[in-house]
Amino acid sequence: NAGVTQTPKFRVLKTGQSMTLLCAQDMNHEYMYWYRQDPGMGLRLIHYSVGEGTTAKGEVPDGYNVSRLKKQNFLLGLESAAPSQTSVYFCASSTSGRGTDTQYFGPGTRLTVL
Amino acid sequence: EDQVTQSPEALRLQEGESSSLNCSYTVSGLRGLFWYRQDPGKGPEFLFTLYSAGEEKEKERLKATLTKKESFLHITAPKPEDSATYLCAVQAYQAGTALIFGKGTTLSVSS
Repeated sequence: NAGVTQTPKFRVLKTGQSMTLLCAQDMNHEYMYWYRQDPGMGLRLIHYSVGEGTTAKGEVPDGYNVSRLKKQNFLLGLESAAPSQTSVYFCASSTSGRGTDTQYFGPGTRLTVL
Repeated sequence: EDQVTQSPEALRLQEGESSSLNCSYTVSGLRGLFWYRQDPGKGPEFLFTLYSAGEEKEKERLKATLTKKESFLHITAPKPEDSATYLCAVQAYQAGTALIFGKGTTLSVSS
């Protein structure tokens, strides 16, 4: 049981390049989330999904797109990277939204945009 | 506006010196308050969930408590391995499952 895994761990992009971050969970969780963490700020929600085939915007969605084609995977895309997107990105997952709602986090992806 | 404020930003303790971390929150209808631990270069690790005022939970040297306006994370006789950043987050009924995080308290315990 690996929990929540993220690929890649590190990435450096040039301004304008695109990339996709992959999140996978093996806990059969319905809900999945993408956060970013910046120095001096709390974790902020980018997008989330309440089930396969669904996505919704969080607090800071601009410049990102997401897809949830399979229940266990949640992809975060940057179509045209900007230096302001330099951050550490965390994926999380939780159960159905009823009950405890505990979110379990992956190890993170450190992204630098030059 | 839902908001979470953690204090202090940083705390230095000697091994065995007990203390508390504070998490003040403003939320329209608290669904749950969460404490996480984050080590450098790692993802947040779940510690506790508290749901109602008066509730307490313990795990080893950590004890979390909740009132209607704040939560405390008490650390009793800390060890160097307790050094980490401790994050507090709240979940409001109106916000669905979204978590609102504080900026965290970085704890350093020296031997």
